[in-house]
Amino acid sequence: GESVGLHLPTLSVQEGDNSIINCAYSNSASDYFIWYKQESGKGPQFIIDIRSNMDKRQGQRVTVLLNKTVKHLSLQIAATQPGDSAVYFCAENYGGSQGNLIFGKGTKLSVKP
Amino acid sequence: NAGVTQTPKFQVLKTGQSMTLQCAQDMNHNSMYWYRQDPGMGLRLIYYSASEGTTDKGEVPNGYNVSRLNKREFSLRLESAAPSQTSVYFCASSEWGRIQETQYFGPGTRLLVL
Repeated sequence: GESVGLHLPTLSVQEGDNSIINCAYSNSASDYFIWYKQESGKGPQFIIDIRSNMDKRQGQRVTVLLNKTVKHLSLQIAATQPGDSAVYFCAENYGGSQGNLIFGKGTKLSVKP
Repeated sequence: NAGVTQTPKFQVLKTGQSMTLQCAQDMNHNSMYWYRQDPGMGLRLIYYSASEGTTDKGEVPNGYNVSRLNKREFSLRLESAAPSQTSVYFCASSEWGRIQETQYFGPGTRLLVL
């Protein structure tokens, strides 16, 4: 079946470097994408989202890029900090309902001081 | 403003036992959700409630029942727990359940079924 997946299950970066977390999706009907951050022992926390009519969206220190041609989503974190250490999930949505939100498996980001 | 709260935080059950996971939100949201999270897998939707008085099945509803008690509370019941239901359970809420809304998650309930 169609699913959301991640290229890298773990990512280790040096503090101050930029991080890039990738996500592949296979449902061409998906039109809304979200990135969540989950710290150890906590629930997921919304980071940034993007609709399919956009290819880039920026937030505070984070940028999401969407490439619909290859069905690829990425999250860029600028000047990565120790507090950014967490598991990051991408999720896709189709059908206009929150009941259709499909999550990927997650990438663990470790920031080395 | 506590956001989304869940009880209990941790529970151990024997196979065949029943229990109810409680969830409450104080953000006046209309929509609420129950997910499970298993190692190496993403969150999977069990049930959701688009508004008070309605519930719908998600991706993995078998073995679970839900009750939207009122606008604030959404409970998840395991009638006869099985080891396959060992997981971390997250409750979430959103304002209207529309596509561009953020879902706010609780801290999770860790369930171990022996």
